[in-house]
Amino acid sequence: DTAVSQTPKYLVTQMGNDKSIKCEQNLGHDTMYWYKQDSKKFLKIMFSYNNKELIINETVPNRFSPKSPDKAHLNLHINSLELGDSAVYFCASSQALRSPLHFGNGTRLTVT
Amino acid sequence: AQRVTQPEKLLSVFKGAPVELKCNYSYSGSPELFWYVQYSRQRLQLLLRHISRESIKGFTADLNKGETSFHLKKPFAQEEDSAMYYCALKSDYKLSFGAGTTVTVRA
Repeated sequence: DTAVSQTPKYLVTQMGNDKSIKCEQNLGHDTMYWYKQDSKKFLKIMFSYNNKELIINETVPNRFSPKSPDKAHLNLHINSLELGDSAVYFCASSQALRSPLHFGNGTRLTVT
Repeated sequence: AQRVTQPEKLLSVFKGAPVELKCNYSYSGSPELFWYVQYSRQRLQLLLRHISRESIKGFTADLNKGETSFHLKKPFAQEEDSAMYYCALKSDYKLSFGAGTTVTVRA
């Protein structure tokens, strides 16, 4: 009965490939996010969506394209994967502007 | 611009000893501050938020606006407290994290 679920959990792929990560939340939240956690454990926001509308795009390369088909889903598509894209990607959601975020279990992406 | 600073990358304490994780912030508005914990290879979990003023797993944190700090404290550390701790500041549509502090509690 996971509140924020991401698939896949692990993703290993080669440079130049295109891949997608899916995220779904069943909390009824209006806002969803993607965060990147690098090898040094730094957490950096990539995108936030509110009611399916893009609110924040934090200088992410345009190889990364989020898609929100409805409020409960925020998928992340990555084109032409690079070695530096290797990281753990976390999806999250929140109810209101100042509410805490609820995180998914993360997707560990390894680009070889 | 908002910024969250956690000056300690690593913190090692003995079981039963007090532990304090430092967090300082800069933000022009009224801050909404949180502590998140990440156990090994798991998702981030909310530990505390300053507005609720509660104690979770024996941890407390007090917002000091004069010193722009939100330090996390626990009087008696337990081995299960070993984890990565992140201080975070929420502004509209964005949660900004500090660099994180890895806590190791030794027996």
